[in-house]
Amino acid sequence: DGGITQSPKYLFRKEGQNVTLSCEQNLNHDAMYWYRQDPGQGLRLIYYSQIVNDFQKGDIAEGYSVSREKKESFPLTVTSAQKNPTAFYLCASAGTGGVSAGEQYFGPGTRLTVT
Amino acid sequence: DQQVKQNSPSLSVQEGRISILNCDYTNSMFDYFLWYKKYPAEGPTFLISISSIKDKNEDGRFTVFLNKSAKHLSLHIVPSQPGDSAVYFCAVNTNAGKSTFGDGTTLTVKP
Repeated sequence: DGGITQSPKYLFRKEGQNVTLSCEQNLNHDAMYWYRQDPGQGLRLIYYSQIVNDFQKGDIAEGYSVSREKKESFPLTVTSAQKNPTAFYLCASAGTGGVSAGEQYFGPGTRLTVT
Repeated sequence: DQQVKQNSPSLSVQEGRISILNCDYTNSMFDYFLWYKKYPAEGPTFLISISSIKDKNEDGRFTVFLNKSAKHLSLHIVPSQPGDSAVYFCAVNTNAGKSTFGDGTTLTVKP
């Protein structure tokens, strides 16, 4: 059945290490997104991609990098330059064709803890 | 400057009563307005949306109202059920495909 998968659900890293979060979708969606959620706050957009081999910075892109080599995959790398990397990370996808409100379909999230 | 505001961090209602969640926005250029529901440690799920050219959209127990002159969006849940207890986010979309989310309102429906 179709959906978005994120792995792993929990991730622990030492400060100074880069870490890559996985996001895969089989919904045949063109657009994919990465968000970060901190306690008591909403979702803040890190990066988004509307087509393969193209992506744009969101509101809080500093310290993060992405790639979009395949339609199904949009991995996010949290680099050592990100000052506060501990957070709940959410990946989403959306269809871009036809009449649509642009509703996004979210994965289950990855909770990253950096110590 | 926050483009989407949900001014009530929490709301508590009795089962069977109406829940009204509110959202204010600042930009008149948004094309679509959406509501998502989120349980702890899970991703949000899409609930209902409304186009900027409409003022009401209904889906079962859920109705979204849009007041463009007031730049105000509301979600009504009638009747409320304990399973509706979750965090509700409003979001606004432009045709560029980018969404902006509010900070969320935690709804608690008491049996």
